[in-house]
Amino acid sequence: QVHLQESGPGLVKPSETLSLSCTVSGGSISGYYWSWARQPPGKGLEWIGCVSYRGTTNYNPSLKTRLTISVDTSINQFSLDLSSVTAADTAVYYCARHRIPVTHDAFDVWSQGTMVNVSS
Amino acid sequence: IVLTQSPDSLSLSPGERATLSCRASHSVSTTYLAWYQQRPGQAPRLLIYGATSRATGIPDRFSGSGSGTDFTLTINRLEPEDSALYFCQQYGGSLTFGGGTKVEIK
Repeated sequence: QVHLQESGPGLVKPSETLSLSCTVSGGSISGYYWSWARQPPGKGLEWIGCVSYRGTTNYNPSLKTRLTISVDTSINQFSLDLSSVTAADTAVYYCARHRIPVTHDAFDVWSQGTMVNVSS
Repeated sequence: IVLTQSPDSLSLSPGERATLSCRASHSVSTTYLAWYQQRPGQAPRLLIYGATSRATGIPDRFSGSGSGTDFTLTINRLEPEDSALYFCQQYGGSLTFGGGTKVEIK
């Protein structure tokens, strides 16, 4: 059974870069697309962007200028870097697997989510 | 595409039926609409994809229907374990999610 686990700091200062990694266990990162999504407190989910196992990316246009998503197949991990963060980036961050290997699809495996606070 | 879910919350008894709505601001291809369940403290779970197809391991009490801008998730014969937040997602264009409906089993 595939399991996803995020790692990264729970507190980031304004204007700095938020960096998270998602480790895939119980299966291979190869052959799939992988997404990041977030949920600010009291609000709905927002899709951030995705990366394929080959490194092809697709980003939410509203975040594109601050966003880098990358993949490292040697360690079964993909990562998120979001620069110049503000309090509006405070959210629970999720990583997820696309059901089939295309950029836009439903997510059949999700992580538990990790809270990231942006505060000085 | 903005997805609006209704009602915000629902309180029903075991054995009853829940009907959850997801309305899109623009037409969504039925191939690209999904429903998820999120129990408190747990990761979201895919229930329905392609508007009507149940994901692996999902009981047939859960069913999806609809087309265009109006989609429905129906949960028959409610069980206590169905208490959760349910949200829809469209993935025809840039991916977007609905705000969710909270289902409480009395």
